[in-house]
Amino acid sequence: GAGVSQSPSNKVTEKGKDVELRCDPISGHTALYWYRQSLGQGLEFLIYFQGNSAPDKSGLPSDRFSAERTGGSVSTLTIQRTQQEDSAVYLCASSLVGQGAGGANVLTFGAGSRLTVL
Amino acid sequence: SQELEQSPQSLIVQEGKNLTINCTSSKTLYGLYWYKQKYGEGLIFLMMLQKGGEEKSHEKITAKLDEKKQQSSLHITASQPSHAGIYLCGAAFGNTPLVFGKGTRLSVIA
Repeated sequence: GAGVSQSPSNKVTEKGKDVELRCDPISGHTALYWYRQSLGQGLEFLIYFQGNSAPDKSGLPSDRFSAERTGGSVSTLTIQRTQQEDSAVYLCASSLVGQGAGGANVLTFGAGSRLTVL
Repeated sequence: SQELEQSPQSLIVQEGKNLTINCTSSKTLYGLYWYKQKYGEGLIFLMMLQKGGEEKSHEKITAKLDEKKQQSSLHITASQPSHAGIYLCGAAFGNTPLVFGKGTRLSVIA
């Protein structure tokens, strides 16, 4: 597609429920990232997929969070047993090449999925 | 600890005035990226700097990376309401995903 698409744009859920957030990256982009943006906290890295390599999960805050990327394209971020502190905007980004490409790696972001846990 | 510090946290300027936003790192940067975000939207890429002393401009926005590659500044000349938003710097410290500062919220008043 022309840009990075994320769905849903808004999600309100009850504490303890599971949620799935979807990201459709730019066609041909090999790298895909998930970040979380909380009020006053800036962007927090969650997970990074690059080609067929094992994902970098170092930013996932707990084992309730998981993500997969099927066929090197669409990615789903799953949050199990949601807690109120999970409320945030979840941003997905993709890039043509991954990190380590000499620092020249422009990320294109989607509009985000705003999650509210009641 | 925050690897990238942005200052100021927020800024209110009168339309037509110039302003500067700073981004400071305690480590050498392999690449420095400036993004802009409007409410409810994703981040829009503005500029990327890689070389010490590098300076780039786009319309009325100029970004510089210092010689030591540890600080960058974003300067807006003759600010307009369209410049309002949150400006974030992101840094590459090597073979890791970009790290971002907490952002600077800019408001431009008539």
